[in-house]
Amino acid sequence: QSVLTQPSSVSGAPGQRVTISCTGSSSNIGAGYDVHWYQQLPGTAPKLLIYGNNNRPSGVPDRFSGSKSGTSASLAISGLQAEDEADYYCQSYDSSLSGSVFGGGTKLTVL
Amino acid sequence: QLQLQESGPGLVKSSETLSLTCSVSGGSITSSSHYWGWIRQPPGKGLEWLGYIYHSGSSFYNPSFKSRISISVDTSKNQFSLRLDSVTAADTAVYYCARLDGYHRPFPLDYWGQGTLVTVSS
Repeated sequence: QSVLTQPSSVSGAPGQRVTISCTGSSSNIGAGYDVHWYQQLPGTAPKLLIYGNNNRPSGVPDRFSGSKSGTSASLAISGLQAEDEADYYCQSYDSSLSGSVFGGGTKLTVL
Repeated sequence: QLQLQESGPGLVKSSETLSLTCSVSGGSITSSSHYWGWIRQPPGKGLEWLGYIYHSGSSFYNPSFKSRISISVDTSKNQFSLRLDSVTAADTAVYYCARLDGYHRPFPLDYWGQGTLVTVSS
């Protein structure tokens, strides 16, 4: 059971916009620690998608965006494409655990 | 282009020691801005931090593993290694090595190896 809670699954049709939440607490996201997001395509290693709450590494399409408010963060994917079907993980730091933590992951299905 | 490659036995017996090495190419492990870490993913489950190390040898471990984990670095070979003692079936997972970007807190993992499956057998 991770200290960062993500929905186990979300889905959307091609072209739609979906959001994935990452809910924490006052010892992690709510304490002001940044959130990063990763995309893991089937059978591959995770890939950094968003860092520092809302920054995209070079090469990541601007269809992907991140935000943070209070004790939660969100990843938004607009103009959904079949190739976006993957698992998505959030990451932050937890002061009570004295280390980085991952969310449990969200499986995105493109209908 | 930076590349990381895990290597080591794919099968380890229960109660023995899991040892993996990550070889870094296309960049130096002595970079002042980066750390080097290990993450694992049990089959069908999520990601789990193991720990990370700086080229100086300074390391941090997930408290859940602190009593049986060790990460070391060999700058002459541009490699770093993971050692996990007294393994059980619960340690069966894909093990990833990754580079951590030291410019941001917490450190994002900006480059990953392809991962290697380690199975613990009884």
